[in-house]
Amino acid sequence: GQQLNQSPQSMFIQEGEDVSMNCTSSSIFNTWLWYKQEPGEGPVLLIALYKAGELTSNGRLTAQFGITRKDSFLNISASIPSDVGIYFCAVGGSTSGTYKYIFGTGTRLKVLA
Amino acid sequence: NAGVTQTPKFQVLKTGQSMTLQCAQDMNHNSMYWYRQDPGMGLRLIYYSASEGTTDKGEVPNGYNVSRLNKREFSLRLESAAPSQTSVYFCASSELAQPQHFGDGTRLSIL
Repeated sequence: GQQLNQSPQSMFIQEGEDVSMNCTSSSIFNTWLWYKQEPGEGPVLLIALYKAGELTSNGRLTAQFGITRKDSFLNISASIPSDVGIYFCAVGGSTSGTYKYIFGTGTRLKVLA
Repeated sequence: NAGVTQTPKFQVLKTGQSMTLQCAQDMNHNSMYWYRQDPGMGLRLIYYSASEGTTDKGEVPNGYNVSRLNKREFSLRLESAAPSQTSVYFCASSELAQPQHFGDGTRLSIL
């Protein structure tokens, strides 16, 4: 089946640093989503991208939908301890079905105070 | 502000037992979803319901059945539980075709 590759798998950073993570696919998708999941909770939708080349921000978070429609990145500026969690990308809007979104395996972020 | 409520939060079953996981949303959303999350594998779609009265298979539907009881409720049933179904199950709802709001999950262990 389709697979998404997220990198890095995990990262430790110092508080105040900027963070960058990305998500790539071998197929074209029309919608790219970024979620954050904290321990014991469900994922929370952070940013949704619908147009190739689109750059969208949500507070300290910025995400871009790649021009080729096969990748996306998420940046977090000036990280704080509460940024800890797992960040998932998800893709959809392909011929496999409008509602069938595929999730990546996540980037686990740990922030050192 | 309940959002998406899942019950139970934890459950232990023996192989072969049956179980229904409940999900309810109070946001008047049309779409509802069931996912499972296994270590290192992200979330995988089991079934979804685009609107009241309709259900469709996702990526991993085998061994599961669903019921969209009304607009608020979407239940997931395991007729004969197997150890491979040990997982964390998440329900989600949305006013769009993409999953927006997730519950806090049901942690299911099958011995």
